[in-house]
Amino acid sequence: SSELTQDPAVSVALGHSVRITCQGDSLRGHYANWSQQKPGQAPILVLHSKNRRPSGIPDRFSGSSSGDTASLTITRAQAEDEADYYCYSRDNSGDHVIFGGGTKLTVL
Amino acid sequence: QVRLHESGPGRVKSSQTLSLTCTVSGGSINSDGFYWSWIRQSPGQGLEWIGDIIYNGIVNYDPSLRSRVTISLDSSKNQFLLNLNSVTAADTATYYCARANWQFADAFDVWGQGTKVTVSS
Repeated sequence: SSELTQDPAVSVALGHSVRITCQGDSLRGHYANWSQQKPGQAPILVLHSKNRRPSGIPDRFSGSSSGDTASLTITRAQAEDEADYYCYSRDNSGDHVIFGGGTKLTVL
Repeated sequence: QVRLHESGPGRVKSSQTLSLTCTVSGGSINSDGFYWSWIRQSPGQGLEWIGDIIYNGIVNYDPSLRSRVTISLDSSKNQFLLNLNSVTAADTATYYCARANWQFADAFDVWGQGTKVTVSS
């Protein structure tokens, strides 16, 4: 399969934890990466190589994976975490990039 | 600190060619270890990868766009370019250039601010 599947929308209460998942066959052979996009802004990288945070990304963001599913977990969610989150990886050939459809996170 | 900046016309007529430039500053486009990439986002939709190029000119394109896309390097200007021909209204989108870092599992670690392109009839 050349698709990555994400739940379209997820909500979390302020200060609680939330997991956003990404499923696809390519994740059996390639790490998932995650970007955050807020309205009107370009995406930014929040996790790469399954569970590594770029400089400046809070440690409440973490990642994991098992089989064909990768997860982004936000612990103690903050209001500023409300955004669209996209997973992506190289496809099975390694020549192309595939994006998940994105998950809109609402912090209540 | 590497920065990317997209430039090009904000409006293109249907059936014509969309041409965009990404200018790289703070680093060399000739460096090994990166894919220089184009990504777009139609209004209200998700991210769509268009293709990428590496320092020696090897390119990859999304299969759905391959027949219409060309990505190239201009090393003298430290730029990479996107040409998309035979555009239609479906190509209306914000176009981003981004750098995929091989050391980060090809994650897009640097993004341009995006440029909005409207295809008009």
